[in-house]
Order: sequence, then C-alpha cells, then structure tokens
Amino acid sequence: GENVEQHPSTLSVQEGDSAVIKCTYSDSASNYFPWYKQELGKRPQLIIDIRSNVGEKKDQRIAVTLNKTAKHFSLHITETQPEDSAVYFCAARDGRNTGKLIFGQGTTLQVKP
Amino acid sequence: NAGVTQTPKFRILKIGQSMTLQCTQDMNHNYMYWYRQDPGMGLKLIYYSVGAGITDKGEVPNGYNVSRSTTEDFPLRLELAAPSQTSVYFCASKGRQVDEKLFFGSGTQLSVL
Repeated sequence: GENVEQHPSTLSVQEGDSAVIKCTYSDSASNYFPWYKQELGKRPQLIIDIRSNVGEKKDQRIAVTLNKTAKHFSLHITETQPEDSAVYFCAARDGRNTGKLIFGQGTTLQVKP
Repeated sequence: NAGVTQTPKFRILKIGQSMTLQCTQDMNHNYMYWYRQDPGMGLKLIYYSVGAGITDKGEVPNGYNVSRSTTEDFPLRLELAAPSQTSVYFCASKGRQVDEKLFFGSGTQLSVL
C-alpha cells in the first residue's frame, strides 16, 4: 500500500523567512496530493492540493511542487508569519482511486517573531 | 449545516472496556474515514468507507470495527480497550469526487487506563 514520508519533523524559522517541507510517496499510481494545516487543539484543515497532471500550484504565500518521476512533493511557504505556526501534514491518495488517503508524519513549524 | 459531528469529545476507559465513537455527517458525503493521531505523530488511517454498506481496512485496523448502515453515520467500535489505543480520534468525510477535500470532525480524546 501507499507509504508517505515527511521531513523535517520540526522546523523553526524567523518571521519573514521561507519554509520548505518535503514528502515522498511510494505508490507511483498516486495522483492527488493535499496539504493540511493543524493548529494546536484544532482539526486539520486543507490549505492547498495538487493533482498529478500539474507540476506546481500557488496560492498567495503558499506553493506546492510535484516531481512524479522522483515521487516527491514539497510545500513552500514564503514570508512566514507567526500565525503560520502549526503542524503541517502532507498526504497522498491511493492510486487505485479508492479514496484512501495516507498522511505523512507531520512537520511542526515554528515561526519566531 | 453541522458538517461532521463526533461524540463524545473526551472519554476515559478502563482496560478491557468497550465503547463506540459516534460520527455523523449531514453533507451527503459518500466517503468517510476514521483516523487516529498519537501525540506528536501523524494521522493513521484506521478504517474507511466509500459508501453505505461498504467498509475497508486502513493502516491500523487491529482492535477496531466499523459499520456503515447509512450514508450519514460511521461509528467506530473498540471492543477490548488497551492502553495502546489512547489517542485522539478524528472522523472525516468527503464528497463523491475522490479528490475533494476532507472535512474533519472536532476529534475525540480517548484515554485507556
């Protein structure tokens, strides 16, 4: 089955710097890759997603890139702000289109003012 | 719309006790999921369902059972609670399109002592 590895597990940056979180997946048939943000004590919320027919997608300060050949995708946050501090999860959908979504281990991002 | 509703929010069980975590959604979503989140860890898929009457195992199904008799409800049953099942449990749902975002419930904090 699908396996998703996420790195780093923790990331600390200064306000205004960029943050990059990387994920790799095992199932070459996977075709949908969302990113979720979870603030302390809250439920995860979708922040951006990308499909396998697209190499990059951007939404204001957030961007996601996908390299299908290498089976990895990354989240880029520019001009980080203290409110970006949270746990970020990548995920990959099972390539058999079952709707099964497997998450990475999460990255705790701390943005220092 | 209430979205995805989970009950209870908190529960303490003794080893060997049984309980059912309730999950209901009012968005007419076909897909429903149960994830567990251990402290500082990612979301692990327990069971999922692609529609009423259909369920399938996720990454960590041992010790749990589910049923999906209606589109709205997807209860998770723990038969013989063990300390290893201490976790936060999230129910989630999404619509017919297999790559739509997940809507998460607010979570159930379960402790087994």
